[in-house]
Amino acid sequence: EVQLVESGGGLIEPGGSLRLSCAASEFSFSSYEMNWVRQAPGKGLEWVSYIGSSGSTIYYGDSVRGRFTISRDNAKNSVYLQMNSLRVEDTAVYYCARGRIGRNYYYMDVWGKGTTVTVSS
Amino acid sequence: VLTQPPSVSVAPGKTASITCEEKNIGTKSVHWYQQKPGQAPVLVIYYNNDRPSGIPERFSGSNSGNTATLTISRVEVGDEADYYCQVWDTSTDHHVVFGGGTKLTVL
Repeated sequence: EVQLVESGGGLIEPGGSLRLSCAASEFSFSSYEMNWVRQAPGKGLEWVSYIGSSGSTIYYGDSVRGRFTISRDNAKNSVYLQMNSLRVEDTAVYYCARGRIGRNYYYMDVWGKGTTVTVSS
Repeated sequence: VLTQPPSVSVAPGKTASITCEEKNIGTKSVHWYQQKPGQAPVLVIYYNNDRPSGIPERFSGSNSGNTATLTISRVEVGDEADYYCQVWDTSTDHHVVFGGGTKLTVL
């Protein structure tokens, strides 16, 4: 079964750092784009970051650019999100999602169950 | 900005339509996700009107002009969920954009 499993969430104080991981299984990980999407409590989905299949193309949402860094290790079938300078408003469930890209479209067809990040003093 | 109605209500067995509005959205590919409480999102429609395997034929989509629509026919109680539309915005920088979400209530 195609699967994504996130880990690394937790309680962290404002200004702190956290590294999320997402382990992929049962598909050719190195052939797919990957994403992080988050959802604050009671709110909608917010895209956080994208990384291309080789890791050479990266995009960020405006609210995290300059603070968060996405990376991947295709040998370990894993994608990561390094989160620095965390703010209270970064509190959310963080989902890892597999992307499917075409000439003029992009969507996410497989999602993990998410890991919870709480930023609070 | 993708604009969705906050809520839509429908009786079981009837048809639900959830809209997603943006100027000229018909020129983009729109994708739809279903999210039930406490669960991760699930892709239900991609590329405007294609269904992933395992998604019932009751789910369909359309996209033209300034409005994309997710239509759920013969609504079941189990369809009650939040639904999000999504596009890939390449106009300036590359961004994934989600609509604000619509809560579908099955009365």
